[in-house]
Amino acid sequence: GQSLEQPSEVTAVEGAIVQINCTYQTSGFYGLSWYQQHDGGAPTFLSYNALDGLEETGRFSSFLSRSDSYGYLLLQELQMKDSASYFCAVRPNSGNTPLVFGKGTRLSVIA
Amino acid sequence: DARVTQTPRHKVTEMGQEVTMRCQPILGHNTVFWYRQTMMQGLELLAYFRNRAPLDDSGMPKDRFSAEMPDATLATLKIQPSEPRDSAVYFCASGLTPLGRGRSSNSPLHFGNGTRLTVT
Repeated sequence: GQSLEQPSEVTAVEGAIVQINCTYQTSGFYGLSWYQQHDGGAPTFLSYNALDGLEETGRFSSFLSRSDSYGYLLLQELQMKDSASYFCAVRPNSGNTPLVFGKGTRLSVIA
Repeated sequence: DARVTQTPRHKVTEMGQEVTMRCQPILGHNTVFWYRQTMMQGLELLAYFRNRAPLDDSGMPKDRFSAEMPDATLATLKIQPSEPRDSAVYFCASGLTPLGRGRSSNSPLHFGNGTRLTVT
């Protein structure tokens, strides 16, 4: 089976850096994805790590360490519009199971 | 921009009534998913189609829920009879899942805006 753990809530100050962690227990997977969801909106894809290491996309970076069963999403130069929920997800490499999502971390950016 | 279209956006119904939610996936995508989102459970997979064939509906209560893809441009999720505990936001998503070699490559899911269902 697969399970992903994320903090339920994080609060950070505008302009600061915040890291949202994701630890997982899974028998095997292709990669770790991150999705963003604003209140009342749909989840949207942010980033994907197939290999260990850091992937950077503008102000957002994502990291994966398979040996530690751990990944994180790093948001820099926080803006108020970054207030949203962030979900990590894995796609198992066995069977037909598609993406499995964590329960999400609600990020609140304050002035 | 191509997008996944879901209807209706909101549905309020009484317990016992039938509810049908519709989804138009992005043209060319070969996988379609139905997820249910609640505060308590987060995003739960209900059903999953690849090339219109159902692959996994183990997350769906079979006695009242049914999911179909009558054609490549339409996916439906039906609840009959509906119950108050079905109140949630139901998301449809589509993607392009590579088969065989290269399955480790990323294929992000594209979500529709969801159907917010309230059963009273």
